[in-house]
Amino acid sequence: GAVVSQHPSWVICKSGTSVKIECRSLDFQATTMFWYRQFPKQSLMLMATSNEGSKATYEQGVEKDKFLINHASLTLSTLTVTSAHPEDSSFYICSARDPGTQMNTEAFFGQGTRLTVV
Amino acid sequence: AQSVAQPEDQVNVAEGNPLTVKCTYSVSGNPYLFWYVQYPNRGLQFLLKYITGDNLVKGSYGFEAEFNKSQTSFHLKKPSALVSDSALYFCAVRVNRGNTPLVFGKGTRLSVIA
Repeated sequence: GAVVSQHPSWVICKSGTSVKIECRSLDFQATTMFWYRQFPKQSLMLMATSNEGSKATYEQGVEKDKFLINHASLTLSTLTVTSAHPEDSSFYICSARDPGTQMNTEAFFGQGTRLTVV
Repeated sequence: AQSVAQPEDQVNVAEGNPLTVKCTYSVSGNPYLFWYVQYPNRGLQFLLKYITGDNLVKGSYGFEAEFNKSQTSFHLKKPSALVSDSALYFCAVRVNRGNTPLVFGKGTRLSVIA
């Protein structure tokens, strides 16, 4: 199946700093990628839809100025957590679907990024 | 709006016994249904999907799921559980139009005991 790579796998940062997470589609081009956040022992909550060449679409309650999304190319979307605080500590996962195939295909997920803000 | 319910937070089963992880869904229109598995600190791995056709879908690692339209269910099953099947399982749904995101259930933790 298609491969989605996410980097870094884990990161520890100090409060007030910014952290960038990359999501790459390795063997296909993705005009749309999705960013999810997962709290411990909870489900994945959609944060935003990343659209290549245009602004991301954020879910209700997600601060767009805090979680900056850039989708500058067909294979790369980035999520930047700005001015991070301990409550931003979480597991962040991206996903994408190969648009070259039929619309009924499954989404593929990156391996996730464990962010810890201290 | 779409939603997925996984009524069990935890399922325990003895190795070699059959397992079932329950999932019901709500969606306007025809659904695309998926099961994913997650191991600790890892992303999600695709197991199987229902799009159309046969209600019984077979997927990876011996898992299968049955689509039941009247009960709006898509339960995950395996005839004989392995200890290595212990993980977190997510059911997900999306509508069959556009490049829409998946909506996930809360997840069910499966523990297979030797």
